[in-house]
Amino acid sequence: ETGVTQTPRHLVMGMTNKKSLKCEQHLGHNAMYWYKQSAKKPLELMFVYSLEERVENNSVPSRFSPECPNSSHLFLHLHTLQPEDSALYLCASSQDIQGANQPQHFGDGTRLSIL
Amino acid sequence: DAKTTQPNSMESNEEEPVHLPCNHSTISGTDYIHWYRQLPSQGPEYVIHGLTSNVNNRMASLAIAEDRKSSTLILHRATLRDAAVYYCILRPGNAGGTSYGKLTFGQGTILTVHP
Repeated sequence: ETGVTQTPRHLVMGMTNKKSLKCEQHLGHNAMYWYKQSAKKPLELMFVYSLEERVENNSVPSRFSPECPNSSHLFLHLHTLQPEDSALYLCASSQDIQGANQPQHFGDGTRLSIL
Repeated sequence: DAKTTQPNSMESNEEEPVHLPCNHSTISGTDYIHWYRQLPSQGPEYVIHGLTSNVNNRMASLAIAEDRKSSTLILHRATLRDAAVYYCILRPGNAGGTSYGKLTFGQGTILTVHP
């Protein structure tokens, strides 16, 4: 039990489809994050939320649209994706965003494949 | 952000200790040293972190050089389940402004454990 649950674990979609990734944390944390992990590349931070407010968009294309309705849930809405968007998308949470001595807790990710 | 340098890969035998090195010669006085690992098909998992003093927890030990320009993650008795990519990450402790709890992942060290 990692405390951070992501669904679905695997997703295959066409470039014209619209889908959403879901993340839920049961740790009472105030900060949530989306990361992208492409093959043979380091994890890249995409978005940061603190108390449901987006505090960072790390130059992510608008075809990725995050949503944080409350501090326990985080969504990543996908539309009109490109083949290069195929990757593992990871969600993480931490107590708050500015605790350099706080760990981040990760989910196991959604493996996304774009046809 | 300060960079870290790790060997691309290391090998160990089961039930032997493993010392995973990390160089961070440009570390600043307020940077925390974090270690995460990523097992196959899973998200990253927090292992340990420290600032100046050596640290121990149930998973591992962290030995920090006196000048803080390097550190070593120690797995006291490697098991097959310790086979993973290990990431050494510096997190700015001066958390105001743009830090936002960033974890900047590098390529890490691939640890192979032989039976």
